[in-house]
Amino acid sequence: DAKTTQPPSMDCAEGRAANLPCNHSTISGNEYVYWYRQIHSQGPQYIIHGLKNNETNEMASLIITEDRKSSTLILPHATLRDTAVYYCIVRDANTGTASKLTFGTGTRLQVTL
Amino acid sequence: GAVVSQHPSWVICKSGTSVKIECRSLDFQATTMFWYRQFPKQSLMLMATSNEGSKATYEQGVEKDKFLINHASLTLSTLTVTSAHPEDSSFYICSARDRAGSYNEQFFGPGTRLTVL
Repeated sequence: DAKTTQPPSMDCAEGRAANLPCNHSTISGNEYVYWYRQIHSQGPQYIIHGLKNNETNEMASLIITEDRKSSTLILPHATLRDTAVYYCIVRDANTGTASKLTFGTGTRLQVTL
Repeated sequence: GAVVSQHPSWVICKSGTSVKIECRSLDFQATTMFWYRQFPKQSLMLMATSNEGSKATYEQGVEKDKFLINHASLTLSTLTVTSAHPEDSSFYICSARDRAGSYNEQFFGPGTRLTVL
């Protein structure tokens, strides 16, 4: 699976949009981009995933560049409860039942008042 | 949404004893479950992948005789840390893949914090 690069930490004011970048320059054509987050001392929580089109759900939006070498997770109105470590993961879509998620170091997002 | 539970949520044991951690998929059947370990201020590290009814596949560097994994049913996988030592103290997290859903979906449990004295 392709490797991802994320900034180690970011701050965001409550109520503002949080934009978390991720570089995955070696991504291949059949690899998806996944985002998970982990609030302190809890298991990871799925946020969103996409292949090449931008995606939006009730939690966030995922913007993938046309060349697919980078993406941005957008939390439109960050709250204090969004403080967590956010992981960008690239995973092969064709690994079937053996598919697994490999976590990098992630971005620690701190939402402040 | 799909729910994965773990039991216990935390455990303290003496060095040399064995500890069993359960991972259950509550509202779906999981053909594949994954076990991760997370040390303080570090990321999750995959330990092993288990498929229902077959032997687990361990990641490089993970001792299969120390970390026994059993996936006897479609809703339950167990991780047994045998002869635990203080260096095994960690946060253990399981995840499960929904058999009926998209193979891309993987749901995580809340984790079990193991402290070995």
